[in-house]
Amino acid sequence: DIQMTQSPSSLSASVGDRVTITCQASQDISNYLNWYQQKPGKAPKLLIYNASNLKTGVPSRFSGSGSGTDFTFTISSLQPEDIATYYCQQYKNLLTFGGGTKVEIK
Amino acid sequence: EVQLVESGGGLVQPGGSLRLSCAASGFTFSSYWMSWVRQAPGKGLEWVANIKEDGSEKYYVDSVKGRFTISRDNAKNSVYLQMNSLRAEDTSVYYCAHSSIWGQGTLVTVSS
Repeated sequence: DIQMTQSPSSLSASVGDRVTITCQASQDISNYLNWYQQKPGKAPKLLIYNASNLKTGVPSRFSGSGSGTDFTFTISSLQPEDIATYYCQQYKNLLTFGGGTKVEIK
Repeated sequence: EVQLVESGGGLVQPGGSLRLSCAASGFTFSSYWMSWVRQAPGKGLEWVANIKEDGSEKYYVDSVKGRFTISRDNAKNSVYLQMNSLRAEDTSVYYCAHSSIWGQGTLVTVSS
């Protein structure tokens, strides 16, 4: 089984700040990685697929990078509407989610 | 409109059974693997089960093997999750999903 280690588990940042979340896979998953945003009471929303591809309609302040075992998700300028929990997910072998990162406004 | 709509959740006693359904519309359902993903109250997302496009391959997280069964009916554009021998720790919102397409979730509560 592939394990996904996501950090930090929570963060607090100011509007306009650059926010970075990391995800590490327990084995090489190439670029088979998605990033999701989930707001309370809602289903997850796909933001980034194949590690670095921005889903159509998603603001360009969101980006992803990485390959193999180490991945990064970035919000270049945090906005109030970005308050949510973010999850990485590998789909190289079945599905595994990271533990999530709760993003709050300072 | 592309959508998935789950149904069948509810309150069930420990040891009981429940069958979840997920109806797909707006996309070629028979061309996609489908998944069930769950989320316990206040917790993260956990993959539960996958089923191949034609139903020939099925995979489960260890904690539900032997208790849950995933199935699909491509003629009805639907995927199902039969849940038996339910435990308190199965209490979650259950989502059916494929990549960017997620349902709204259905809540399963296992409690006496």
